Amino acid sequence: DSGVTQTPKHLITATGQRVTLRCSPRSGDLSVYWYQQSLDQGLQFLIQYYNGEERAKGNILERFSAQQFPDLHSELNLSSLELGDSALYFCASAAGIGSFELNNEQFFGPGTRLTVL
Amino acid sequence: AQKITQTQPGMFVQEKEAVTLDCTYDTSDPSYGLFWYKQPSSGEMIFLIYQGSYDQQNATEGRYSLNFQKARKSANLVISASQLGDSAMYFCAMSPTGFQKLVFGTGTRLLVSP
Repeated sequence: DSGVTQTPKHLITATGQRVTLRCSPRSGDLSVYWYQQSLDQGLQFLIQYYNGEERAKGNILERFSAQQFPDLHSELNLSSLELGDSALYFCASAAGIGSFELNNEQFFGPGTRLTVL
Repeated sequence: AQKITQTQPGMFVQEKEAVTLDCTYDTSDPSYGLFWYKQPSSGEMIFLIYQGSYDQQNATEGRYSLNFQKARKSANLVISASQLGDSAMYFCAMSPTGFQKLVFGTGTRLLVSP
């Protein structure tokens, strides 16, 4: 158990709908990262938050948005869903923004499997 | 841009033998981190081992060791004394300066047979 929790575990919805994925980081971790794993794109970084502020953006679609709340949990919002958005969405947490001296590895949650029909 | 290449889509090994999973990377960053993650069929991503680009010694964590050859830009994972539970997908990843994201390879599926 990594200490990172994600809900829900599975989500089935229809095209055009909107969903919210939730992540609670490990106790004490300030950074939250979102990744998407799909068959055709592999594992891709979407976005990072550090202590409530957006720190880095990756290949995140405009239809997707995220935020990190004062209690450090994070939500990823996916709207106008398309079939191609079906994927496993991971949240990961780390202690800080990044420090090589601190060996700042990211710990992954169990993922939310999204199926868009 | 950073890139991770894992050229072995699948590997087979017998229980108790050692196996090496290949990983090469490309980056222009002066410092970076290299990681290996394991993804069992259940789907979770499990952190295995980390190597910093300035680390003088190869990283080891129990049965896992990382064969880091900086000049060749390779970071191969060695699993000693394979166990049936090692059957999984293995991903090599790197983080560019600042640890702002992980860039993953396409993964290698390892199958350990009795």
